[in-house]
Amino acid sequence: EIVLTQSPGTLSLSPGERATLSCRASQSVSSSYLAWYQQKPGQAPRLLIYGASNRATGIPDRFSGSGSGTDFTLTISRLEPEDFAVYYCQQYGSSPFTFGPGTKVDIK
Amino acid sequence: EVQLLESGGGLVQPGGSLRLSCAASGFTFSSYALSWVRQAPGKGLEWVSSISDRGGATYYADSVKGRFTISRDNSKNTLYLQMNSLRAEDTAVYYCAKHLLNIVARPVMDVWGKGTTVTVSS
Repeated sequence: EIVLTQSPGTLSLSPGERATLSCRASQSVSSSYLAWYQQKPGQAPRLLIYGASNRATGIPDRFSGSGSGTDFTLTISRLEPEDFAVYYCQQYGSSPFTFGPGTKVDIK
Repeated sequence: EVQLLESGGGLVQPGGSLRLSCAASGFTFSSYALSWVRQAPGKGLEWVSSISDRGGATYYADSVKGRFTISRDNSKNTLYLQMNSLRAEDTAVYYCAKHLLNIVARPVMDVWGKGTTVTVSS
């Protein structure tokens, strides 16, 4: 099983700042089958990024993903008020298809 | 509008059974693989199970293998999760989700339902 570790656990930032979220895998994620999701309280997750760097439909270009192998990054270039949420990475390259524990981005 | 709507959650005693349903609309249901993902109270996301477009291929997390069965009825645009031998640790919100690509073994999920809550307690 591929274990995903996300850091930091909580990121406290102000609107307009840049957010950099890390996701590290216990073994290489094949073909960069790595996705990022955003979840707000009481809501279902929302797909942001797939294939490590491809934005999903309707996702603003302030969200970008990068990385390969075992190290992946989600960057939010300038935080908008609606971006304060929990972010999960997920590997879908090998079963079981695991999620990371999440990074909470909250308002400083 | 593409929509998924889960139902069937509730309170069940340990050892009991429950069947969740997920009704789909707004897309060609039979052309996409689907998954169930759950979230225990205050916890993160856990992939549970996936099924191919025609139902011929299924995948399960080890934590539910042998107890849960995923299935679908393409004539009714509905996904199911039959849950048997339920345990307290199965308590969670259960989401159904559509795969972005029609590949059952690549569950990246672009459409999610609002979830249904399952509570296992005596």
